[in-house]
Amino acid sequence: QKEVEQNSGPLSVPEGAIASLNCTYSDRGSQSFFWYRQYSGKSPELIMSIYSNGDKEDGRFTAQLNKASQYVSLLIRDSQPSDSATYLCAVIKDNPYSGGYQKVTFGTGTKLQVIP
Amino acid sequence: GAVVSQHPSRVICKSGTSVKIECRSLDFQATTMFWYRQFPKQSLMLMATSNEGSKATYEQGVEKDKFLINHASLTLSTLTVTSAHPEDSSFYICSASSVRGQATDTQYFGPGTRLTVL
Repeated sequence: QKEVEQNSGPLSVPEGAIASLNCTYSDRGSQSFFWYRQYSGKSPELIMSIYSNGDKEDGRFTAQLNKASQYVSLLIRDSQPSDSATYLCAVIKDNPYSGGYQKVTFGTGTKLQVIP
Repeated sequence: GAVVSQHPSRVICKSGTSVKIECRSLDFQATTMFWYRQFPKQSLMLMATSNEGSKATYEQGVEKDKFLINHASLTLSTLTVTSAHPEDSSFYICSASSVRGQATDTQYFGPGTRLTVL
């Protein structure tokens, strides 16, 4: 079982619709959860972070976390063509092999295509 | 936001040669730097974590003698791929954090370096 799992997609949504991206993780000790957006050939850029159960909203983006189900999601409202990218879910926990330094584990990403 | 640069952005080298990649934090002190590798259509894989002035901590399966990391100052870390082979061709990305050992909201990514080994 992968530590962080995402559906690779592509997920196609029409412009203006809501895009729903999902992620599950295996380690219950995970502490922090992030969503990154990565355009082809570019490095990731942070969109949202979430640390506690529930919803967190930032503009058109809403992150949802359910630690009991080990599930984190990202909703993008009013999707725009410029949102077309790969969305990476990332999970952080303390790295037991490095004296407490945190380790980020990324999912393989979901490719989102917003169709004009 | 904080800025992290990488140099070079793209490098092509012959098999057997060594390649050095620089990662710089331009407007903050990067106490901790992370090095990642990303193969096509795959996720970012953490290779190592380095703290300024200390030896890097490598992830399991990453050869420390092949991927030399130096974090000699609070603004610069280097990754040297020694005796590069075609299978080392990848997208190498660094990130920097101003908080020692932490990779949370304080982690800022560099633009990446595309390495191609012929």
